[in-house]
Amino acid sequence: GIQVEQSPPDLILQEGANSTLRCNFSDSVNNLQWFHQNPWGQLINLFYIPSGTKQNGRLSATTVATERYSLLYISSSQTTDSGVYFCAVERGGAGSYQLTFGKGTKLSVIP
Amino acid sequence: DVKVTQSSRYLVKRTGEKVFLECVQDMDHENMFWYRQDPGLGLRLIYFSYDVKMKEKGDIPEGYSVSREKKERFSLILESASTNQTSMYLCASSFLGGSVSNEQFFGPGTRLTVL
Repeated sequence: GIQVEQSPPDLILQEGANSTLRCNFSDSVNNLQWFHQNPWGQLINLFYIPSGTKQNGRLSATTVATERYSLLYISSSQTTDSGVYFCAVERGGAGSYQLTFGKGTKLSVIP
Repeated sequence: DVKVTQSSRYLVKRTGEKVFLECVQDMDHENMFWYRQDPGLGLRLIYFSYDVKMKEKGDIPEGYSVSREKKERFSLILESASTNQTSMYLCASSFLGGSVSNEQFFGPGTRLTVL
């Protein structure tokens, strides 16, 4: 099956700092999503980004499908950004709907 | 906004009990999914369904079954709960894809403890 690797596994930031999270995947994809899991376990959709660049406030994401990676940028981090960030991909081809998740990046933003 | 709801946030059951986890979505999505999340193992797909009464096994279907009698509702069934099924269970839904986005949306999760 498709492999998804996220880096770094853990990240500690001072409030106000910027960061880049990376997701590498081993095959072509139909779908790539970034999620933030809050302390209560809810997965919150950040981006649906199988290719290209998107921005939403202090967050932006870029996927380079031909090189099989995606980046999530967090600027001016806040303590509320803490949590686990997951990248998930759906492999290419018809009829393959399931998402394969990376192991996540645990982000801690300290005041 | 897409809404995916799950019947319980926390559930405690005894070994051998039959357990039903319910998931409802209000966006007319064709696809529905059940995942479990465990420390160190991440999120893994148990079952999914792309239509009413249709189901497909995911990566870890053993010990589980599912039911999709209506488009908006997808149930996960533990026929005889065991302690190794203690986990966080997450339901998701999406459109089929093609000309529309197949972005998946998740419910709040159910933390199941089997004693």
